[in-house]
Amino acid sequence: SQKIEQNSEALNIQEGKTATLTCNYTNYSPAYLQWYRQDPGRGPVFLLLIRENEKEKRKERLKVTFDTTLKQSLFHITASQPADSATYLCALPLGGGYNKLIFGAGTRLAVHP
Amino acid sequence: DADVTQTPRNRITKTGKRIMLECSQTKGHDRMYWYRQDPGLGLRLIYYSFDVKDINKGEISDGYSVSRQAQAKFSLSLESAIPNQTALYFCATSDSANQPQHFGDGTRLSIL
Repeated sequence: SQKIEQNSEALNIQEGKTATLTCNYTNYSPAYLQWYRQDPGRGPVFLLLIRENEKEKRKERLKVTFDTTLKQSLFHITASQPADSATYLCALPLGGGYNKLIFGAGTRLAVHP
Repeated sequence: DADVTQTPRNRITKTGKRIMLECSQTKGHDRMYWYRQDPGLGLRLIYYSFDVKDINKGEISDGYSVSRQAQAKFSLSLESAIPNQTALYFCATSDSANQPQHFGDGTRLSIL
């Protein structure tokens, strides 16, 4: 069955540095991949979608890459700020018209001043 | 106002009780979903629906039931709650395929 892995250990970085989060998947060839942000006590919020034919996607300080050979997506936040502290989830589609997604467990990012 | 509203936000109840969690949306989306989130396990799909006549079991539907009362309303019921159903529950909606899902802020459910 499809499996998604995100680093379960929290990532601690200094303000101003680039944060890089990893999403690996197996037994799967998704047409696209999504990234969400989740703050404590809140629901996930969509950030970016990258398709299989796109190597890279950018939105402001966010950058996502998608390597279908390695079966991996990297999520970068440049010039990180304490306000970027949250848990970041990657999600892959299960196909079909229902738009079902399978989510990774998420990686918690803490940006320190 | 939130586009996807879940009630209640928090609930503490006892084993064996019947519980209903409610979700309403103003986004006009056809697709609605119920997820459960546990620490370290991520979001797991309980039920999903395309419209009021279409209800489907997800990955972990045992012990749960749902009702799609209208396009905008999707309720999750626990007929006889048990402690291992203690979790954070999220409702989500989406438009067409290949689009993002939009989540409510969740219900924190504790079963004693």
